[in-house]
Parts: sequence; structure tokens; C-alpha cells
Amino acid sequence: EIVLTQSPATLSLSPGERATLSCRASQTISSYLGWYQQKPGQAPRLLIYGASNRATGIPARFSGSGSGTDFTLTISSLEPEDFAVYYCQQRSNWPLTFGGGTKVEIK
Amino acid sequence: EVRLLESGGGLVQSGGSLRLSCVASGFTFSSYAMTWVRQAPGKGLEWVSAINGGGGSTYYADSVKGRFTISRDNSKNTLYLQMNSLRAEDTAVYYCAKTSGYSEYRIDYWGQGTLVTVSS
Repeated sequence: EIVLTQSPATLSLSPGERATLSCRASQTISSYLGWYQQKPGQAPRLLIYGASNRATGIPARFSGSGSGTDFTLTISSLEPEDFAVYYCQQRSNWPLTFGGGTKVEIK
Repeated sequence: EVRLLESGGGLVQSGGSLRLSCVASGFTFSSYAMTWVRQAPGKGLEWVSAINGGGGSTYYADSVKGRFTISRDNSKNTLYLQMNSLRAEDTAVYYCAKTSGYSEYRIDYWGQGTLVTVSS
């Protein structure tokens, strides 16, 4: 099973600041990685697929990068609605797996 | 607009059974693989099961293999999850999710979820 390790567990930032979230895979997954945002009481929403492609309707302040085992989600300038939990997920191998999540909270 | 509406959750005793349903609309259901993902209270996301567009290929997490069965009825645009021998650790919100292709497993849309509570 491919383990995805997200860091940090919590990121405390102010609106307007840059957020950098990390996801590391226990073995290479090429670019088969997605990022999801989840707000309290809501279902997750796809942000990034294929490691670096923004999903439909996702603002340009969200960007993804990386391949192989190391991936990054960057939010260039945090908006109030961006404070949420972010998960990475791989689809390279069965079983599909998710990272443990990074909570982006208001400082 | 893609819509996924789950139902069938509720309170069940340990060892019991439950069947979840997910009615899909807004896309050609039979053309897309579908998955179930769960989230225990206050915890992260856990993939449970997946099925390809035709229903001929199914996949399970080790934690549910042999107890849960995924299926679909493409004539009814409905995905199912039959859950048997339920345990307390199966307590979670269960999300139905659409993927990006017939046998592609990139999750792109999620339903709002249905809560399953297993009492011991």
C-alpha cells in the first residue's frame, strides 16, 4: 500500500499569505496525485489532478507541482474561504490512498 | 450539473447489515467508474471500494474485503454498497464519488454523504 504523508498537520497563516502544503509518497506514483479541499460539514472538492492541473472552476491562486514521490500544493494568497483541510490522494496503485490531511487555519 | 445523492445510512447494531444507494444525474452514468469513500467522525478520508463503468471490475480496501460488496445498476443510474458484518470501526460518513472515466479512478465529484453508525 502506498502511504501518503502530508506536512505540516496544521498551518497557521493570515489572509493574503502564501500557503505551501507538502505530500510525500512512500513509493513513486508518477503524477497520479490529486488534491482536495474539505470545509467543515461539506464533502471534499477536487482542486488539482495529475499533480499540476487545476480542476474546473478552481481559482488560479491554487497550483500544484511535483512528480514521483514529492508533491506540493501552493495557495499564492490566502482568501478567507481557503481556510479548510486539504488532502492529497494517489491513484497510481490499488488501494487508492489519501494523506492524513493538512488543516490551514487562520492565525 | 453532476449530482450524487446517497441514501441508506442509519444506526445499526454490530454484526448487522446495511445497503447504501447513490443516485447519479447530470452525466452518462455507465461511462464512468464510481467509488465509495468514508470518513470516520473527526478523521481523514479512507477509500472503501470502486467499480468500473460496466460493473465488471471491482476493488476493495483490505478493511472491508469480504464484508462489503459494491455494485451498480446502469439502467437506474444507481450505485450501491452492501455492507455486512458491520463493526464499530465502520462508523463514518460514506461518500459516493464519480471518477473521470470508464476505468479511470481520479475522483472528480462527490456526493454529500450518508452517515452510518454502528453500535456495539
